Amino acid sequence: ETGVTQSPTHLIKTRGQQVTLRCSSQSGHNTVSWYQQALGQGPQFIFQYYREEENGRGNFPPRFSGLQFPNYSSELNVNALELDDSALYLCASSTRGGGFTEAFFGQGTRLTVV
Amino acid sequence: EDQVTQSPEALRLQEGESSSLNCSYTVSGLRGLFWYRQDPGKGPEFLFTLYSAGEEKEKERLKATLTKKESFLHITAPKPEDSATYLCAVQIAYNFNKFYFGSGTKLNVKP
Repeated sequence: ETGVTQSPTHLIKTRGQQVTLRCSSQSGHNTVSWYQQALGQGPQFIFQYYREEENGRGNFPPRFSGLQFPNYSSELNVNALELDDSALYLCASSTRGGGFTEAFFGQGTRLTVV
Repeated sequence: EDQVTQSPEALRLQEGESSSLNCSYTVSGLRGLFWYRQDPGKGPEFLFTLYSAGEEKEKERLKATLTKKESFLHITAPKPEDSATYLCAVQIAYNFNKFYFGSGTKLNVKP
């Protein structure tokens, strides 16, 4: 177990709706990254949050947004859901500082858009 | 453009049949390369970090190596429980905020 927890584990939404996914980072970690993983593909970077601010973004439209809270937990919000948003959404926590740490992943949230 | 390519896409082995998975990368400056294992429907599980060419890391039946252009994950005498998708990811020197993942190698070890 990594100590990174995500909720919910599964979710079904209708096209056009909005969704919020949640992530609690591992103790001692101050950085949270979100990834989208389509079936049979590697995870694709959405964005990263550090000290409650977005700190890098991948090639995703603005309807993908996020928050990080003072306790380093995080939310991923997706507006105007599309069928192609169906995927496994992964949260990863790490520590950013002078050094370099690996990212530890949660178990993911499986989002299905119908 | 920064790119990570894994091969083969899928690999079927008999129990005890050793083999290697490949991760080749084209990046402007490598800060680190990571190997993860992912079981179906689960998040990736961290295995190794490699920082510089020539470095090697071992864990049970797995050994990861790194050159300037690629990394190998060697699996010695695999068991059925080693069946999973193995992902590699790179973190680049000028933008260490994110990892670039390959598409993974799906390993199936038959008893």
